Amino acid sequence: GQQVMQIPQYQHVQEGEDFTTYCNSSTTLSNIQWYKQRPGGHPVFLIQLVKSGEVKKQKRLTFQFGEAKKNSSLHITATQTTDVGTYFCAGLNNTDKLIFGTGTRLQVFP
Amino acid sequence: SQTIHQWPATLVQPVGSPLSLECTVEGTSNPNLYWYRQAAGRGLQLLFYSVGIGQISSEVPQNLSASRPQDRQFILSSKKLLLSDSGFYLCAWTGTTYEQYFGPGTRLTVT
Repeated sequence: GQQVMQIPQYQHVQEGEDFTTYCNSSTTLSNIQWYKQRPGGHPVFLIQLVKSGEVKKQKRLTFQFGEAKKNSSLHITATQTTDVGTYFCAGLNNTDKLIFGTGTRLQVFP
Repeated sequence: SQTIHQWPATLVQPVGSPLSLECTVEGTSNPNLYWYRQAAGRGLQLLFYSVGIGQISSEVPQNLSASRPQDRQFILSSKKLLLSDSGFYLCAWTGTTYEQYFGPGTRLTVT
């Protein structure tokens, strides 16, 4: 079946370093969504990308949707301890089914 | 604004006991509702979704069931819990562009 994979699975960074997580789908997506789940919490919707090659920014977070609409990335500039958590991408396929990625767990050391 | 509630927040149940988790949504009508399970340190597994009262679609065959007795109420049940049913159970509703809004979740430990 359709899969959405994320790499890396884990990332440990020093505070102030940059961080990137990559999301890859086996099939073309209608849109890509990103969620953040703080330790002990529930996933929270961050953003949605719809257009091929689209780039959106939220403060230090930059989200990109690939030209082929099969991959996406989330880049955090100058990480802070508040960025700790697991980041999930989720792709909407052509049957309007949302497929969640495997997640990337980010740890930030002060 | 829309709000989603789940209870209980935590639950410890013995193997073989029944289960009932409730989810309610406020501030919207006829929402699409979802139940997910998340094992410790893992991703989200879609269990059930519902597009309306009495309409349930199952994604994974297992000893769990779901019901939607009212427009904004979604219930997850089991007649006999297994150890493998332990996890973090999340209810969610879908916005206009299929983004998902999650409830606070229920942490279930089956002993």
